[in-house]
Amino acid sequence: DAGVTQSPTHLIKTRGQQVTLRCSPKSGHDTVSWYQQALGQGPQFIFQYYEEEERQRGNFPDRFSGHQFPNYSSELNVNALLLGDSALYLCASSPTGNEQFFGPGTRLTVL
Amino acid sequence: DAKTTQPPSMDCAEGRAANLPCNHSTISGNEYVYWYRQIHSQGPQYIIHGLKNNETNEMASLIITEDRKSSTLILPHATLRDTAVYYCIATPYGGATNKLIFGTGTLLAVQP
Repeated sequence: DAGVTQSPTHLIKTRGQQVTLRCSPKSGHDTVSWYQQALGQGPQFIFQYYEEEERQRGNFPDRFSGHQFPNYSSELNVNALLLGDSALYLCASSPTGNEQFFGPGTRLTVL
Repeated sequence: DAKTTQPPSMDCAEGRAANLPCNHSTISGNEYVYWYRQIHSQGPQYIIHGLKNNETNEMASLIITEDRKSSTLILPHATLRDTAVYYCIATPYGGATNKLIFGTGTLLAVQP
């Protein structure tokens, strides 16, 4: 049984560009959450999707948006990239009422 | 969500028990204590969670004080592969339908 997968593993963009990151949840998991982890810090919650709707959102600007598809996979979009958006972006999936399973992350570098 | 406080780093000898403390003095009655760990360059991994009773699974044991203001994660026989950052999180409900608020965690270094 495949765990949570994310693509791409690494990405380099320049300031002002837009990026899309992808996540496939663990089989049977219907909830997907996204986190941003800056170097040396703990992960910070961006938002959570359930039944194709954004259910919760952390303290991130509207430049960060997402989507969940009927097969529960999810995308994270970031517009107008800033240098400070450089981070490891983590996706986590969970079945209702259980712990979260994290993917390996996508390392985004903004130059 | 209740704030948690952990020491920034700890050392442990290989084969010995590692005891990682966490303070959550403002925890609410409906908040569970969750432990995750993150090995370098990987995503966090769930370890264990509990509400007020002590819990044990194949990875670790969780001891929660009677007043629920603190807890200890115990790795009974630490190995080099247990070197990681360990996060203690207090969150309502079952943890899946709520966001996880990570602090900076405890870097556990297991020494040979």
